[in-house]
Amino acid sequence: NAGVTQTPKFQVLKTGQSMTLQCAQDMNHEYMSWYRQDPGMGLRLIHYSVGAGITDQGEVPNGYNVSRSTTEDFPLRLLSAAPSQTSVYFCASSRDRLYEQYFGPGTRLTVT
Amino acid sequence: KNEVEQSPQNLTAQEGEFITINCSYSVGISALHWLQQHPGGGIVSLFMLSSGKKKHGRLIATINIQEKHSSLHITASHPRDSAVYICAVRSVRGTSGSRLTFGEGTQLTVNP
Repeated sequence: NAGVTQTPKFQVLKTGQSMTLQCAQDMNHEYMSWYRQDPGMGLRLIHYSVGAGITDQGEVPNGYNVSRSTTEDFPLRLLSAAPSQTSVYFCASSRDRLYEQYFGPGTRLTVT
Repeated sequence: KNEVEQSPQNLTAQEGEFITINCSYSVGISALHWLQQHPGGGIVSLFMLSSGKKKHGRLIATINIQEKHSSLHITASHPRDSAVYICAVRSVRGTSGSRLTFGEGTQLTVNP
């Protein structure tokens, strides 16, 4: 099993550009989530999904969209990138929200 | 005040020392997680617990639900234990029960 994969590993965007961060898991997990990690702050939840077709907002959803058309994939879209979105983004999955989470390797995003 | 507080923020130890990292939280929880973030950025789940104590190799995690406190212990520490250790709690409050709240992490450095 590949576990949780994320692409790209690194990305530089200009303000106003849009892009999609990809996340996929091959463990048939229902629960998937996106976090951002910033210096001096803990990981913060952006959006999560409890199954295909079901998504909900987390703590810091503004400026991001998600969809969950399949169990395997949970892409995160930045609609119009802003410097405040410079961060490291982690995708995670688990069998259910009550089970341990498996994290992807992260995407380091810089917005100039 | 953050819902999850970790102490210390930074910890330097000599190889072989016994290490304790503390986590205090202010909300009712259904589970507490301990995570390890490697210097390369990857995050792995170490423990998920809702009561008592768990042990895996040289790592021991304990939780006291009444005192809203958990500790992570590392026995016979080794330089390869150098990492950031993160505490996260899953709240029992309404829809917040679907999300984890993370501490800022404890940076551990073990010198040979």
